[in-house]
Amino acid sequence: GESVGLHLPTLSVQEGDNSIINCAYSNSASDYFIWYKQESGKGPQFIIDIRSNMDKRQGQRVTVLLNKTVKHLSLQIAATQPGDSAVYFCAEKVGGTSYGKLTFGQGTILTVHP
Amino acid sequence: DTEVTQTPKHLVMGMTNKKSLKCEQHMGHRAMYWYKQKAKKPPELMFVYSYEKLSINESVPSRFSPECPNSSLLNLHLHALQPEDSALYLCASSQAGRGLVDSLNNEQFFGPGTRLTVL
Repeated sequence: GESVGLHLPTLSVQEGDNSIINCAYSNSASDYFIWYKQESGKGPQFIIDIRSNMDKRQGQRVTVLLNKTVKHLSLQIAATQPGDSAVYFCAEKVGGTSYGKLTFGQGTILTVHP
Repeated sequence: DTEVTQTPKHLVMGMTNKKSLKCEQHMGHRAMYWYKQKAKKPPELMFVYSYEKLSINESVPSRFSPECPNSSLLNLHLHALQPEDSALYLCASSQAGRGLVDSLNNEQFFGPGTRLTVL
């Protein structure tokens, strides 16, 4: 079946470094992508989204890049802080329906060392 | 109010018990979702309600019974569960437009989840 997956299951960085979390997807019909952050004991928290007609979108300290040619999504976190430590999921949705069935990737554990 | 609330936070039940999970949002969202999340795994969609009607059932066993009594509330009724049903149950909500344009703006807001343990 079609799926969303991640290249790196774990990522350890030093505080202040930039982090890059990658995600591969295989459904070429997906037209909306979201990055979620999930801290221990909490539900997923929206970070940033991007539509398939875009290749880059920036938020506060975060940037999402979308490469539709190779079906690749990445999340860049600038000046990573210990509070950024969490599991990060990418999720994809196929358009055409008015509400989204999100399919989540496997997740990357980000650990930020002080 | 941009919050999805879920009760209870924790629930322990036996295999013969009947219990219910509750979810509430006051963002005016007309799509609500139940997800199941096992430890160290991504959330998996169970049900989607759109305008209070069940729109998607991801082949979930009948021992899980969803209910959407109004646009702000979503319940999940549990009966005769198995130990393997132990997981974090997440509720989410989003806007529910009726066209492709609307569908590109339906960020899902998640609640904190109910940690369910079936003995």
